[in-house]
Amino acid sequence: AQKITQTQPGMFVQEKEAVTLDCTYDTSDQSYGLFWYKQPSSGEMIFLIYQGSYDEQNATEGRYSLNFQKARKSANLVISASQLGDSAMYFCAMRPINTGNQFYFGTGTSLTVIP
Amino acid sequence: SAVISQKPSRDICQRGTSLTIQCQVDSQVTMMFWYRQQPGQSLTLIATANQGSEATYESGFVIDKFPISRPNLTFSTLTVSNMSPEDSSIYLCSVAGTSGTSFLRFEQYFGPGTRLTVT
Repeated sequence: AQKITQTQPGMFVQEKEAVTLDCTYDTSDQSYGLFWYKQPSSGEMIFLIYQGSYDEQNATEGRYSLNFQKARKSANLVISASQLGDSAMYFCAMRPINTGNQFYFGTGTSLTVIP
Repeated sequence: SAVISQKPSRDICQRGTSLTIQCQVDSQVTMMFWYRQQPGQSLTLIATANQGSEATYESGFVIDKFPISRPNLTFSTLTVSNMSPEDSSIYLCSVAGTSGTSFLRFEQYFGPGTRLTVT
């Protein structure tokens, strides 16, 4: 079975500080992609970062980095230098190779950046 | 990346009626997807819409309730039929991007969503 778990329903971070959003996954596939999306209150889903299961280096995109620990099946998102505009819901998603284009989403983490 | 638009952006509907949501993409794409996001919940895939064939529905979703059209490679519609308050959700259209050379790298791009409230 494919499953994504986000155990932090809500997180708070001080502006300019770093924050880590947790994500663990479960799959029997050897090949899979891991994604993080941001959903502001407007409702749109914004792609942030991708990590492939065979990628040896952790992915980085600007202030976003993905702490990928394959043996632990975790793919935590690290946001550095938090900004007020980072306040949103964050969803971790997985795409196992054997499910075609289907994505499995976690339940999300609500991040609030405090000025 | 793909630019996706949806109409309407939001609507309030009476129970028992139907609403058709439109999704337009700025480039030709093979597969389009429809998701539902109930209040405070994560995204649930409703169906995959391929051009020229019947949509493929996920468990718990049926064509009679959520008929889908895919007349060409840039457009799709989702109809929410015989609505009840339980259908109040955000409905999101998405397409698979093709960044890079790895199939696994194909992230999904989402439209802005349609906020539906059924009274």
